[in-house]
Amino acid sequence: DTEVTQTPKHLVMGMTNKKSLKCEQHMGHRAMYWYKQKAKKPPELMFVYSYEKLSINESVPSRFSPECPNSSLLNLHLHALQPEDSALYLCASSQDGGGGETQYFGPGTRLLVL
Amino acid sequence: AQSVTQPDIHITVSEGASLELRCNYSYGATPYLFWYVQSPGQGLQLLLKYFSGDTLVQGIKGFEAEFKRSQSSFNLRKPSVQWSDAAEYFCAVGAREYGNKLVFGAGTILRVKS
Repeated sequence: DTEVTQTPKHLVMGMTNKKSLKCEQHMGHRAMYWYKQKAKKPPELMFVYSYEKLSINESVPSRFSPECPNSSLLNLHLHALQPEDSALYLCASSQDGGGGETQYFGPGTRLLVL
Repeated sequence: AQSVTQPDIHITVSEGASLELRCNYSYGATPYLFWYVQSPGQGLQLLLKYFSGDTLVQGIKGFEAEFKRSQSSFNLRKPSVQWSDAAEYFCAVGAREYGNKLVFGAGTILRVKS
């Protein structure tokens, strides 16, 4: 099973709200990723977790807070977002975060910030 | 740092015609190269990847790609395009010394006309 699931599929939130995106995989992978994809643009890496530890933070604003409770789950906590944060948020996983691994992507959460 | 260029933003081909999507990368050593496909509003699906060895790589859905070190290219090909191939295609590059960070090209939108 090469499936990565993400919930919710769609999310609308105000700038003062707090919400969370969830990602789950059952492939036994030990690395998980968050990407942000604006319309008509390629995905941009936000965070990487390897063995439940944050290994890469691509200078993402603190209003985005990742969390990896265990090797199968990845959350992205959202607080005080701006309208320009509206995008498709993609989760991915790979074997253990070593170089050149195949990353398996979920379907994404489409976020709209009003 | 590695970078990827996909020179064609849009390509339109007739159903049954052959297809070639271009990808050029910039990286000093041998990179890890990937092609992903994304249907509207969906996540990314891996078509194929190149790490080492045979420079002609076969993927899913009848796609293939050829790694040409002298041209720093990794072009995607398909001999006969189907209606269902209409989507956006992303070339991505990774490198061992950058962990598992992928850098994506801008993408090429493929339109198929009947």
